[in-house]
Amino acid sequence: EAQVTQNPRYLITVTGKKLTVTCSQNMNHEYMSWYRQDPGLGLRQIYYSMNVEVTDKGDVPEGYKVSRKEKRNFPLILESPSPNQTSLYFCASSLLAGLNNEQFFGPGTRLTVL
Amino acid sequence: GNSVTQMEGPVTLSEEAFLTINCTYTATGYPSLFWYVQYPGEGLQLLLKATKADDKGSNKGFEATYRKETTSFHLEKGSVQVSDSAVYFCALYPGGTSYGKLTFGQGTILTVHP
Repeated sequence: EAQVTQNPRYLITVTGKKLTVTCSQNMNHEYMSWYRQDPGLGLRQIYYSMNVEVTDKGDVPEGYKVSRKEKRNFPLILESPSPNQTSLYFCASSLLAGLNNEQFFGPGTRLTVL
Repeated sequence: GNSVTQMEGPVTLSEEAFLTINCTYTATGYPSLFWYVQYPGEGLQLLLKATKADDKGSNKGFEATYRKETTSFHLEKGSVQVSDSAVYFCALYPGGTSYGKLTFGQGTILTVHP
């Protein structure tokens, strides 16, 4: 089944404790992206990747890192989480970064930073 | 910059009622427009899209028409079902150097009662 998977689905952590949220897709997509969803703000892009070893900042990159060492994986790293990073996070992928390439979303990771 | 504004929610309807969720946008050029749906506990799924003015996107009984003169892309369904209860997001893709980034509205929660 074609899908985007994320782990963990739920995470409660404390300020400053490094964490990684994994994202994996099995569709051989080149483009991958991370969004965060906050009430009243919709989804905002954190980082994106056009292909292996090619990443760039989205609209709200502060406090996050990403890497793209393999085509299928695009982990989101919070080196020192803070309470304002409490949010619902979505990974998305598409064949290419373009108009006619539907983006497929993972199920989301709900992160709480105490 | 680009932005999407959706009607305030939540929206509560009885089964078989008519649904309209308003969406207006601000963008330069000729963006493509999308409606995504998020069912409880799941990621976003593409519901429908329109890529140029006067296009009508449709899927699962939902429709939306790209109105450039009013910069709108309102979502409609003639007869909603309980299974349509979800969060609906309007989004745009401006193309060009947007590198796959979608700009989302804040989301509208729809609850349909039997």
